[in-house]
Amino acid sequence: QKEVEQDPGPLSVPEGAIVSLNCTYSNSAFQYFMWYRQYSRKGPELLMYTYSSGNKEDGRFTAQVDKSSKYISLFIRDSQPSDSATYLCAMSIFGNEKLTFGTGTRLTIIP
Amino acid sequence: GAGVSQSPRYKVTKRGQDVALRCDPISGHVSLYWYRQALGQGPEFLTYFNYEAQQDKSGLPNDRFSAERPEGSISTLTIQRTEQRDSAMYRCASRGPSSYEQYFGPGTRLTVT
Repeated sequence: QKEVEQDPGPLSVPEGAIVSLNCTYSNSAFQYFMWYRQYSRKGPELLMYTYSSGNKEDGRFTAQVDKSSKYISLFIRDSQPSDSATYLCAMSIFGNEKLTFGTGTRLTIIP
Repeated sequence: GAGVSQSPRYKVTKRGQDVALRCDPISGHVSLYWYRQALGQGPEFLTYFNYEAQQDKSGLPNDRFSAERPEGSISTLTIQRTEQRDSAMYRCASRGPSSYEQYFGPGTRLTVT
C-alpha cells in the first residue's frame, strides 16, 4: 500500500462548478501538507500549503486537513477552464525534507 | 528571476550506457532535490542536498544511481549502465532557506532503448 493515496481520475466538471479533490495517507508523522498543480509538460507548482490540521483559504482555493482521519482535501470554487491540470497532493514530516506525493488527479473544466 | 533549469531536456540512450543529468537551482537556494516521475504518477523522491552535503539518498533505487553537488550549486544525477526501467522524467527542485516551497524544474525526459 502506498503512503499517500489519490484518485487519479480523470475528473471532468462544467465551468463554475465546485471541485473537490482528496488524498488519504497512512503515515501519522506527516505534518506538512501541500497541493501542487501541474500543467501538461510542465513541472509541478505549489498551490497551497498547510501545517497540521485545519483549513486554509486562498482566493477560490481552500485546503483542509483532518489529521485524525488522515485525510486532506482541496476545494476549487467557481472553477475555470484555466484550472484544468493535474493536481498532486504532497506531504512531509518536517517540512524541509523530501515530499511524498500522491498519484495526481487529472482535472478538466469544461467551458 | 530565472527558475530551476535542467539539461538536457531530452536524452535517448542505449541500454548499458551511462548518463549524467544536470540541475541548476534558483540562485541562493541551498536545498536541492531530485525526483523521478513516471507517466501518470506523482514525483518519487530520489535524493536531496543542503549546500554540498547529501542529506538523504534513501530514494535512490540501487547503486547505479548517484548524485553530487560539489560546490553547493549545480547538481548532477548520474545513472550508470542504464536499463529500460530507468526511462522516466527526472525532475529537480530547489528550496530557499526560509521557505517550505520546492520549485520544480522542467525535467529531463530519459528514454533508454
